[in-house]
Amino acid sequence: EDKVVQSPLSLVVHEGDTVTLNCSYEVTNFRSLLWYKQEKKAPTFLFMLTSSGIEKKSGRLSSILDKKELFSILNITATQTGDSAIYLCAVEVDRGAGSYQLTFGKGTKLSVIP
Amino acid sequence: DVKVTQSSRYLVKRTGEKVFLECVQDMDHENMFWYRQDPGLGLRLIYFSYYVKKKEKGDIPEGYSVSREKKERFSLILESASTNQTSMYLCASRNRDSLAGLYNEQFFGPGTRLTVL
Repeated sequence: EDKVVQSPLSLVVHEGDTVTLNCSYEVTNFRSLLWYKQEKKAPTFLFMLTSSGIEKKSGRLSSILDKKELFSILNITATQTGDSAIYLCAVEVDRGAGSYQLTFGKGTKLSVIP
Repeated sequence: DVKVTQSSRYLVKRTGEKVFLECVQDMDHENMFWYRQDPGLGLRLIYFSYYVKKKEKGDIPEGYSVSREKKERFSLILESASTNQTSMYLCASRNRDSLAGLYNEQFFGPGTRLTVL
């Protein structure tokens, strides 16, 4: 059974802090790992990682994948109240015949207080 | 911009009713997905469809069925709604991978919060 585990499940920080969110996985037929941010409604895409050791960066957010140790981290520097959200990690696996499935972790709820 | 729309934001139904949740995407994506999201359990895949008229069970298909007669539309059906199907339902779509081997991400709709009384 495919498994994706995120930690911590929740986190409260002050504005300006740097946070690291963790995601580990055990899956069959790994294709990619994705990070999403979910505020009040639909998850919005942040990053897709397919290769080990290559950092993806977007503004204050960055992420990296380690395919040997089967984990990824999402870093947010200089946090702002607008970063408050649930951060979802998902791993895409190949189900064969051109179909691909995402397995999600339970998410990390980040609260940034002024 | 990719747009995934869902027919209702909020829905209240009674136990035993037949419920249809509709999802439409406007980007000609081949793959479409239905998830439910519950506190403490995260997003779980119910069904997905990798092409028109094709469907595959996800991790929790019991009590649900789906229909994909047209490429842009994917319907989730609760044949006889039960209280344990009260949840947030999210639809997503994804284009197939490019010929260059680049993978594509899933795009999500705004969700339908279903309450079954």
